[in-house]
Amino acid sequence: QKEVEQNSGPLSVPEGAIASLNCTYSDRGSQSFFWYRQYSGKSPELIMFIYSNGDKEDGRFTAQLNKASQYVSLLIRDSQPSDSATYLCAVKDSGGSNYKLTFGKGTLLTVNP
Amino acid sequence: ETGVTQTPRHLVMGMTNKKSLKCEQHLGHNAMYWYKQSAKKPLELMFVYNFKEQTENNSVPSRFSPECPNSSHLFLHLHTLQPEDSALYLCASSQTRGGSGANVLTFGAGSRLTVL
Repeated sequence: QKEVEQNSGPLSVPEGAIASLNCTYSDRGSQSFFWYRQYSGKSPELIMFIYSNGDKEDGRFTAQLNKASQYVSLLIRDSQPSDSATYLCAVKDSGGSNYKLTFGKGTLLTVNP
Repeated sequence: ETGVTQTPRHLVMGMTNKKSLKCEQHLGHNAMYWYKQSAKKPLELMFVYNFKEQTENNSVPSRFSPECPNSSHLFLHLHTLQPEDSALYLCASSQTRGGSGANVLTFGAGSRLTVL
């Protein structure tokens, strides 16, 4: 059974701080990794995806991938109260399917003004 | 209409009822998905259709019956459900990429189902 683990939180940070969200995965052959944000009562929306080891930056968001350690993280710089949401890590299965993503349970982030 | 739309947004049904959830995508994507989201659990993939052909059935009980008449429409027919089936049912679509490429999912707003 392929697993994606996230700390459920809540993770609480003050406004303007860096929020660090972590995710580990069991499927060693996985090549594609995603971070989705889900506001309370809303559907998930994609923030970033990353394929290669290292960092990928998009505005205030940086995704970091370390395939050897089977670890992916999301950093949010200059956190804002509007960033308060549940962040879902998703990993594309390495099997034959082109469609299967395994999701973590999500980390609830609260940014305090 | 833009994106992925789901109807109804809320549904309450008894265990003997038959109802359907509807999803429509306006993105020109070729793949459509049903996911189940329950409290304290990860998103669970139920079904995937690619160009209206079913490509994944994630061991879903037969009381859930999907239908995909074309690449833009997806239904989930519900019958004789159990209270534990109460959850948020999310439809999503994606444009498939081959090889190691990834499918970025666009989700609908979801249908909140309560089974009494």
